[in-house]
Amino acid sequence: GAVVSQHPSRVICKSGTSVKIECRSLDFQATTMFWYRQFPKKSLMLMATSNEGSKATYEQGVEKDKFLINHASLTLSTLTVTSAHPEDSSFYICSARAGSSTDTQYFGPGTRLTVL
Amino acid sequence: SQQGEEDPQALSIQEGENATMNCSYKTSINNLQWYRQNSGRGLVHLILIRSNEREKHSGRLRVTLDTSKKSSSLLITASRAADTASYFCATDGGNRDDKIIFGKGTRLHILP
Repeated sequence: GAVVSQHPSRVICKSGTSVKIECRSLDFQATTMFWYRQFPKKSLMLMATSNEGSKATYEQGVEKDKFLINHASLTLSTLTVTSAHPEDSSFYICSARAGSSTDTQYFGPGTRLTVL
Repeated sequence: SQQGEEDPQALSIQEGENATMNCSYKTSINNLQWYRQNSGRGLVHLILIRSNEREKHSGRLRVTLDTSKKSSSLLITASRAADTASYFCATDGGNRDDKIIFGKGTRLHILP
């Protein structure tokens, strides 16, 4: 199946700093990428949907100024957690889809963010 | 909310037994998918069943879908220790909504 990578896989940062997470589709062009957040022993919560070349659509309750999403190319989307705080510590997972809503979403391996 | 609800939330069975997990959802869907997640890892896609399908098989996995009851089940036969993981169902929005929404998951533990 298609491969989606995330970088870094794990990051520890100090409170107040910003952290950028990359999501790449390695062998296909992803017109749409999704960002999810997962707390320990909980399910994945969709944060936002991003389409290449346009602004991301955020889910209700997700602060767009806090979680900046850029989808500048068909193979790369980035999530920047700005002014991170300990409550932002979580597992962030991206997924990518090639075309229409009937296409399969391929998930990245996730990024573990710990804010001290 | 469209979010699926899995039950049971946690399941422990002996190796070799069959494991059944259920998922219910609230709105109409195009597809329903099942994923596996090992602790601290990413998601592994297991199987997709479309709204016009009732049953699908893949190896030791069997998935059923009952759109009239808005429910699905995942059966893992002859369970193995490596099947220990969390299992999530995920539904798309149906119509023009293209988001995948995940259920709360079932934590499956296979006892040796």
